[in-house]
Amino acid sequence: DIQMTQSPSSLSASVGDRVTITCQASQDISDYLNWYQQKPGKAPKLLIYDASTLETGVPSRFSGSGSGTHFTFTISSLQPEDIATYYCQQFDDLLTFGGGTKVEIK
Amino acid sequence: QVQLVESGGGVVQPGRSLRLSCAASGFTFSSYGMHWVRQAPGKGLEWVAVMWYNGTYKYYADSVKGRFTISRDNSKNTLYLQMNSLRVEDTAVYYCARDRSKGVYGLDVWGQGTTVTVSS
Repeated sequence: DIQMTQSPSSLSASVGDRVTITCQASQDISDYLNWYQQKPGKAPKLLIYDASTLETGVPSRFSGSGSGTHFTFTISSLQPEDIATYYCQQFDDLLTFGGGTKVEIK
Repeated sequence: QVQLVESGGGVVQPGRSLRLSCAASGFTFSSYGMHWVRQAPGKGLEWVAVMWYNGTYKYYADSVKGRFTISRDNSKNTLYLQMNSLRVEDTAVYYCARDRSKGVYGLDVWGQGTTVTVSS
């Protein structure tokens, strides 16, 4: 089974800050990685697929990069509406989610 | 609009069974893989099961293998999850989600979730 390790598990940043989350796969998954946003009490939402492709309608301040085992998710300028938990998810071998990163406003 | 609506959740005793349903609308249901994903209270997302667009393949997480069965009725645009031998640790919000493809690529449409509580 492929394990996905996300870090940090939580972070606090100011509005306008650049926020970066990393996701490490236990084996090479090429670019078979997606990123989701989940706001409290809501279903998750797909933000980025295939490691770096922005889903339609998602603001351009969100971006993703990486391949193989190391991936990065970035919010270029944190907005109040970005308060949420973010998850990476591999689809090289079925689906596995990372543990999540809770993003809060400082 | 594209929509998934889950139903069938509730409170059930350990060892009993429950069947969840997910009604799809606004897209060609038979062209997409479909998944169940769950989230225990205060915890992260856990993938549960997937069924290919035509029902050819289905796979399960180890935590539910042998107890849960995923199925679909493409004529009714509905996905199901039969949950048997339920355990306290199966307590979670269960989401139905559409894959981006016919198989397994990622989840681009989600339902609102249905809550399953396993308790004596």
